[in-house]
Amino acid sequence: GQSLEQPSEVTAVEGAIVQINCTYQTSGFYGLSWYQQHDGGAPTFLSYNALDGLEETGRFSSFLSRSDSYGYLLLQELQMKDSASYFCAANSGGGADGLTFGKGTHLIIQP
Amino acid sequence: GAGVSQSPSNKVTEKGKDVELRCDPISGHTALYWYRQSLGQGLEFLIYFQGNSAPDKSGLPSDRFSAERTGGSVSTLTIQRTQQEDSAVYLCASSSSLAGLTGELFFGEGSRLTVL
Repeated sequence: GQSLEQPSEVTAVEGAIVQINCTYQTSGFYGLSWYQQHDGGAPTFLSYNALDGLEETGRFSSFLSRSDSYGYLLLQELQMKDSASYFCAANSGGGADGLTFGKGTHLIIQP
Repeated sequence: GAGVSQSPSNKVTEKGKDVELRCDPISGHTALYWYRQSLGQGLEFLIYFQGNSAPDKSGLPSDRFSAERTGGSVSTLTIQRTQQEDSAVYLCASSSSLAGLTGELFFGEGSRLTVL
């Protein structure tokens, strides 16, 4: 089966840096995605790591270590609008050719 | 349309009634996915279509749930004899054939189902 673990909630201060960790156990693994979801909204794609290392996209970066079955999302220069839930998702390349999602991390930004 | 469109956005029904949820994917996207999200929870995979066929139905929670896709486009998720535990947001997503390489799905806003 597939399972992903991430913290349920993280609190950070506006302007700071926060890291959201994700560990996974999957029967097959092609890569790790990250999605952002504001309350009542649709999940939106942030990044994807197929290879080990760091991928940077503006204020957001994502990291993957296949040997450790671990990844993280790094958000810099936090803004109030970054308050949302963040989901990691494993691409298992299985029959679904889709993604297995973690339960999400609720990020709270304080002024 | 420019994005994934789902209807209805909200549906309130009585226990035991049947409901149909519709998803119109991004034009040209061959893959279509249904997920279910309960309050404060992650996304639970339901079913996946490649074209009109559904190679993976493993996520459907019971035989009361079914889905179809016609013309390689619009999909309908049907829940028969709804139960209160079916209350959730049902999310549809689509992707191009390259989704396996990019890990990117495009989601609709969801259909919020409430079973009384």
